[in-house]
Amino acid sequence: DAGITQSPRYKITETGRQVTLMCHQTWSHSYMFWYRQDLGHGLRLIYYSAAADITDKGEVPDGYVVSRSKTENFPLTLESATRSQTSVYFCASSQRLTSTDTQYFGPGTRLTVL
Amino acid sequence: DQQVKQNSPSLSVQEGRISILNCDYTNSMFDYFLWYKKYPAEGPTFLISISSIKDKNEDGRFTVFLNKSAKHLSLHIVPSQPGDSAVYFCAARSTSGTYKYIFGTGTRLKVLA
Repeated sequence: DAGITQSPRYKITETGRQVTLMCHQTWSHSYMFWYRQDLGHGLRLIYYSAAADITDKGEVPDGYVVSRSKTENFPLTLESATRSQTSVYFCASSQRLTSTDTQYFGPGTRLTVL
Repeated sequence: DQQVKQNSPSLSVQEGRISILNCDYTNSMFDYFLWYKKYPAEGPTFLISISSIKDKNEDGRFTVFLNKSAKHLSLHIVPSQPGDSAVYFCAARSTSGTYKYIFGTGTRLKVLA
């Protein structure tokens, strides 16, 4: 199906484990983003990517790693999960970075770190 | 330091009446503002936006007002419908420096039938 998808939708892991959240979009959008949503904080940008092999940090990048070898995929890896990384994670994409380009969000991944 | 604030975490409105959701910001470099709507277990979806060169933008039942001097924007929904019940996020963007949206904490709107 066309659009932006995330997997898994729910994940429970333990402190110290490595976890990878997947994001896939079928629009060939250049820009992709990872956000986390926490109570009292709204949505905060973790990392973003302007194109394949081009990534940059957002507001809260510590503890996360991203890669973008293909335009359509933008995985987010928690190298050693901590309880503070329990959150809902949203991936988003947009065609350009002009003022009129909005971001399209995936359905989210709810991650619980025990 | 929350640059975009939605001070009302929740709002209840009767069906058919007006819903007014408010958002305040502190950064005068923000020049583009958006509202997103989010249903449970789904990602946010774009609703309406406004550039800082305008003070009003309308799309059907949804109107966004921008008061730059007060650093305040509001979303009006008229008439409100039960399907409008969702969490609404305002977001702001600055064209200077690193590209990113700054999101507010969200307001949960409940439209009562």
